[in-house]
Amino acid sequence: EVQLVESGGAVVQPGGSLRLSCAASGFSFDDYSMHWIRQSPGKPLEWVSFITWGGSRTDYADSVKGRFTISRDNSKNSLHLEMKSLSTEDTALYYCAKDDGRDGNNFDYWGQGTLVTVSS
Amino acid sequence: DIQMTQSPSSLSAFVGDRVTVTCRASQTISSYLNWYQLKPGSAPKLLIYAASSLHSGVPSRFSGSGSGTHFTLTISSLQPEDFASYYCQQSYSSPVTFGQGTKVEIK
Repeated sequence: EVQLVESGGAVVQPGGSLRLSCAASGFSFDDYSMHWIRQSPGKPLEWVSFITWGGSRTDYADSVKGRFTISRDNSKNSLHLEMKSLSTEDTALYYCAKDDGRDGNNFDYWGQGTLVTVSS
Repeated sequence: DIQMTQSPSSLSAFVGDRVTVTCRASQTISSYLNWYQLKPGSAPKLLIYAASSLHSGVPSRFSGSGSGTHFTLTISSLQPEDFASYYCQQSYSSPVTFGQGTKVEIK
């Protein structure tokens, strides 16, 4: 059974930093690209970032480019999101999601999310 | 970015009803359209990929159709566990984008 478990969410002040993690199990982690997706209160889902199976290629939404860094450790089946210069606009439930490997970015399994609150 | 517009934003229905949710893309996306179900406190679930293909383990009462710019998600007979929010997502071009969601509530 595919399982994705996010952690690291917290309350942080504007301008602060945070590192999210996602522990993966139940599939060959190093065979699949992975994504971070978020949902801010009252807003639709927003794709945040993507990393290929080997980590050689990454991509970011314009809203987080230059502030967030995605990485993975295939030896530990883990995905990470380093977030810096956080603003209230970054308050959201952050999900990690597995790419299904088909053409296009399709998210076939998700975690339950970890909550990031940016507030003074 | 491709804009995805869902309608309605919410609906009320009885158990057993047939429910249809519509999603329109601001430009053609071929069949690069997925549907997800979200419930508070639970992991989101992929229901339909490539506009009309049922994801593994998803009940057959869920179906998807459409191509180009107009897509629909249909629940043939609404069950109690289907009361949730539903989102469409285009995977045609980067950045992928989602609709604003449709909340299905009990009548």
